[in-house]
Amino acid sequence: SQTIHQWPATLVQPVGSPLSLECTVEGTSNPNLYWYRQAAGRGLQLLFYSVGIGQISSEVPQNLSASRPQDRQFILSSKKLLLSDSGFYLCAWRVAWSNTGELFFGEGSRLTVL
Amino acid sequence: GQQLNQSPQSMFIQEGEDVSMNCTSSSIFNTWLWYKQDPGEGPVLLIALYKAGELTSNGRLTAQFGITRKDSFLNISASIPSDVGIYFCAGLNTGFQKLVFGTGTRLLVSP
Repeated sequence: SQTIHQWPATLVQPVGSPLSLECTVEGTSNPNLYWYRQAAGRGLQLLFYSVGIGQISSEVPQNLSASRPQDRQFILSSKKLLLSDSGFYLCAWRVAWSNTGELFFGEGSRLTVL
Repeated sequence: GQQLNQSPQSMFIQEGEDVSMNCTSSSIFNTWLWYKQDPGEGPVLLIALYKAGELTSNGRLTAQFGITRKDSFLNISASIPSDVGIYFCAGLNTGFQKLVFGTGTRLLVSP
């Protein structure tokens, strides 16, 4: 069966520090991968998605970046965090080029920037 | 970034009441989905809709894919306390492989 894991689960970082959130998927090949951010009490904002290794589509211009170094690995990074980067980050995967649309989410990473 | 508009933003109802919420977009989607998120967790899929005009049920939940393909509706009948959570609509554009979420409807149910 397929599983998705992301870590760390909780992170408290000072402004200006770097960030690396990692997500891995097991039990499937060539998934579409997604990073979403959820600010407190808000909806899910699509940040990045990837349809293959090295292929990243960015939805929102910001100081975050994403990379997909391996088929089932998706990394969210920042060189210098801002206060506004605080939020709940969710990684998700779905079957590539599927019409079903179902998205499977990781456990989430809660980032607090102080 | 694109986000779908959901209403109402929040609802506080009594157990046993029916609930309706809707989602609208300026863009056409060819798949609509409804998710529920419990606190501190990722959203979980409730219902998926694939055809304009389609009406689909999952237990006490019923959802419809709007005929214009720019909206969708979710109804929950006879609400219970475990229905509490945030409900999100999502639109999929299969051509671009991206799934865009709505702003969410927070549901509170009083026993």
